[in-house]
Amino acid sequence: DAGITQSPRHKVTETGTPVTLRCHQTENHRYMYWYRQDPGHGLRLIHYSYGVKDTDKGEVSDGYSVSRSKTEDFLLTLESATSSQTSVYFCAMGTGGSGNTIYFGEGSWLTVV
Amino acid sequence: AQRVTQPEKLLSVFKGAPVELKCNYSYSGSPELFWYVQYSRQRLQLLLRHISRESIKGFTADLNKGETSFHLKKPFAQEEDSAMYYCALRANTDKLIFGTGTRLQVFP
Repeated sequence: DAGITQSPRHKVTETGTPVTLRCHQTENHRYMYWYRQDPGHGLRLIHYSYGVKDTDKGEVSDGYSVSRSKTEDFLLTLESATSSQTSVYFCAMGTGGSGNTIYFGEGSWLTVV
Repeated sequence: AQRVTQPEKLLSVFKGAPVELKCNYSYSGSPELFWYVQYSRQRLQLLLRHISRESIKGFTADLNKGETSFHLKKPFAQEEDSAMYYCALRANTDKLIFGTGTRLQVFP
């Protein structure tokens, strides 16, 4: 569809376990993003990347890390999952620059029990 | 500080009624504003952006710098417009800052 996919789409994990979500794009876009979506909060940026191995924090980065070793892949890791990290996670990609349109993946539903 | 405010969590209208979803922003420079739509359990999709000055699915939005607003309007709502709508601001970086969203319900 939009050239961006996420995996896994659904996951249930236990508190304290590490979790990695993968985002894969086929558009060779420079920018990639991880957002979380929660009722009453809308979408909040966790981390983003502006190139291979170039990443920066968003507004809710605590408890999350990211890596981007290839243009097409952007990984989000929860080092030790907590119940407050139960959320829907959206990956996105963009070209950057004026008029930058950001395209979203389908979302990953994560439940931490 | 950069901020996007969508004051209404829920907006309910009947089919054929006009719709206005409010969006206000806080940013001192020249912003780029976007509206994204999310249908039930689907990905967010770009609906429109202010620099294009386009009309998509009958929706329009005009950037009002004086009032720092970018309200989304449609003269006659349809049932298929029921969705979650997010206003977003692109400031001086390539990050998008989103509002908390407004759920639009269109009743038959």
